[in-house]
Amino acid sequence: EDKVVQSPLSLVVHEGDTVTLNCSYEVTNFRSLLWYKQEKKAPTFLFMLTSSGIEKKSGRLSSILDKKELFSILNITATQTGDSAIYLCAVGSGNTPLVFGKGTRLSVIA
Amino acid sequence: GAGVSQTPSNKVTEKGKYVELRCDPISGHTALYWYRQSLGQGPEFLIYFQGTGAADDSGLPNDRFFAVRPEGSVSTLKIQRTERGDSAVYLCASSLSQREGLITDTQYFGPGTRLTVL
Repeated sequence: EDKVVQSPLSLVVHEGDTVTLNCSYEVTNFRSLLWYKQEKKAPTFLFMLTSSGIEKKSGRLSSILDKKELFSILNITATQTGDSAIYLCAVGSGNTPLVFGKGTRLSVIA
Repeated sequence: GAGVSQTPSNKVTEKGKYVELRCDPISGHTALYWYRQSLGQGPEFLIYFQGTGAADDSGLPNDRFFAVRPEGSVSTLKIQRTERGDSAVYLCASSLSQREGLITDTQYFGPGTRLTVL
């Protein structure tokens, strides 16, 4: 059975801190790993990673994939209160349903 | 352009009633997915359409759940004889079709419908 595990499940930090969120996976047919940010109901797309070792970056957020060790990390530097959300990791294998982890709930306090 | 839209945003119903949830995908996206998300969990797959046909409905929990997409665009998720355990946020997502040499795994989500069964 395909499985995606995220850690930690929740995290509380102060503004300005740097955080690292983890995602490990065991899937039969891997093609991509995706990160989403969920603030209220709609998960919004952050990154799609398909190749090992190539960092994707968007502002203060960055992510990298290790296909040998089957994991990915999402880094957020200089955190702001607006970064508070649930961060979801999912694995895709073509036009098939994504398999999601439970998410990491990040709370950034001023 | 417009994103994925879902209606209603909230639905409260009584146990045993029938409900319909609607999803309007991004224009041009032929793949459409329904997921269900319970508190503290990630989205869980229900059913996936490629065009008008259900390509995979293995996530539907039982025969009270059904979904259609008659013209290959808007989809409706139908739940009969609702139970309290059906209470959750129902998310719809769409993506581009598979294309040669292009990874089209990214799915774009709508705002969801929060269903509460009393």
